[in-house]
Amino acid sequence: GQQVMQIPQYQHVQEGEDFTTYCNSSTTLSNIQWYKQRPGGHPVFLIQLVKSGEVKKQKRLTFQFGEAKKNSSLHITATQTTDVGTYFCAGHAASGSARQLTFGSGTQLTVLP
Amino acid sequence: GAGVSQTPSNKVTEKGKYVELRCDPISGHTALYWYRQSLGQGPEFLIYFQGTGAADDSGLPNDRFFAVRPEGSVSTLKIQRTERGDSAVYLCASSSGLAGSGTGELFFGEGSRLTVL
Repeated sequence: GQQVMQIPQYQHVQEGEDFTTYCNSSTTLSNIQWYKQRPGGHPVFLIQLVKSGEVKKQKRLTFQFGEAKKNSSLHITATQTTDVGTYFCAGHAASGSARQLTFGSGTQLTVLP
Repeated sequence: GAGVSQTPSNKVTEKGKYVELRCDPISGHTALYWYRQSLGQGPEFLIYFQGTGAADDSGLPNDRFFAVRPEGSVSTLKIQRTERGDSAVYLCASSSGLAGSGTGELFFGEGSRLTVL
């Protein structure tokens, strides 16, 4: 079945440093979504990317969808303590059971003040 | 309600018992998902409903797990003969769009934490 991997699993940064998490799918995706989960909370939707090579920005966050629609990345510029949490990518397979939204294992971000 | 509501928020049960977890999605959302999340892991897909029907139940781990959504709104996840390995947070999410259509943002509830002793 479809697998979605994320690296790194953990990332500690000093406040003000940049952060990037990478997401790779074993199958081609029709779209990819990113979620943030604060400690003790539930996943909260950040963004959806649909087109090959798409880049979207939300303030300090930049999201990319690979040309082959099998990988994605999230980059945070100048991290703040409010960025703490676990970031998940999640994708719908382009074929087969497109109804499943498969989540990656997440990257847990710690921002040191 | 304003968001996805899940009850109970916490459930402690003994091995072998039967458990029901309830999800009340956002009004008007036709799509409903159940996920299971263990500590330090990403949400694991269990089942997806579009309206009243289970459009994809391929994530249910075995026949002890069953979910229903009889009127296309509230859903109940049922676990028979619980095992210690079933302990996890069970997350419900709803969406207004068809899965895979590019409009499938999921709104998650707070989850039901199940502990099987």
